[in-house]
Amino acid sequence: GAVVSQHPSRVICKSGTSVKIECRSLDFQATTMFWYRQFPKKSLMLMATSNEGSKATYEQGVEKDKFLINHASLTLSTLTVTSAHPEDSSFYICSARDGADIPFFGQGTRLTVV
Amino acid sequence: AQSVAQPEDQVNVAEGNPLTVKCTYSVSGNPYLFWYVQYPNRGLQFLLKYITGDNLVKGSYGFEAEFNKSQTSFHLKKPSALVSDSALYFCAVRDKGSYKLIFGSGTRLLVRP
Repeated sequence: GAVVSQHPSRVICKSGTSVKIECRSLDFQATTMFWYRQFPKKSLMLMATSNEGSKATYEQGVEKDKFLINHASLTLSTLTVTSAHPEDSSFYICSARDGADIPFFGQGTRLTVV
Repeated sequence: AQSVAQPEDQVNVAEGNPLTVKCTYSVSGNPYLFWYVQYPNRGLQFLLKYITGDNLVKGSYGFEAEFNKSQTSFHLKKPSALVSDSALYFCAVRDKGSYKLIFGSGTRLLVRP
C-alpha cells in the first residue's frame, strides 16, 4: 500500500516553545491530508483537513492559531504546535488518501511538553 | 450524522480460535467502511475496506469483514487468531462529501497463547 511518513516519531519540548511535525506522502501525491490527535486509550479525533495550496479547515473546538497547518506541496503537510503547553502532550497522526481513495496513516508523533 | 460504534472495549481469544471484532454504523446513503489496526505507539495500518460489491471483504494478514446492510454492521473476522494479532482495532466510516474518516472508539484484541 501507499506510504505516509511522519517525522519526528517522538519529541519533547519545553512549555512555550513551538514544535513542527511533518507528514509526507512518499509514493503518491495528496491534495488533502488530515491531522488527528489521539489521547491515551482513546479513539482518533480529527483536528483539521490540510488542503494543498489553500487554508486548512479546522474542526470545531480546535484553535487554528495554536495548531498551524501548512500544505505547501502535494507531498508535504506540516503541523506546528505553537506555544506548547503540557496539555498539548498527545499522539498526533496524519493521514493522506492514495489514488484508490484509501486513507493511509503516518507512524504518529508522540509529543511531550514539559 | 454519521457514526460508528464498536460495542466491545476488549475482545479476548485463544490463539488458533476464530475472532470477531464488532462494528455497527449509522450513515445516510451507501457507506464507505474501513478497518485499521494500531500497534502501541504506532500509526494505523489499513486492513480492508468496503465500498461496493461482495459483502465479504478480504483484507491483509488473513482478516476479512462482512458487510451486512440490514443490520448495519461491518464485523471484522479472522478464522484463526495469532498472538501477534493482539492490538487495537478501529472501524471507520468515510464522510463521502469531505473524505473525513469517522472512527469508532476502538477495540483492544488480546490473543492469549
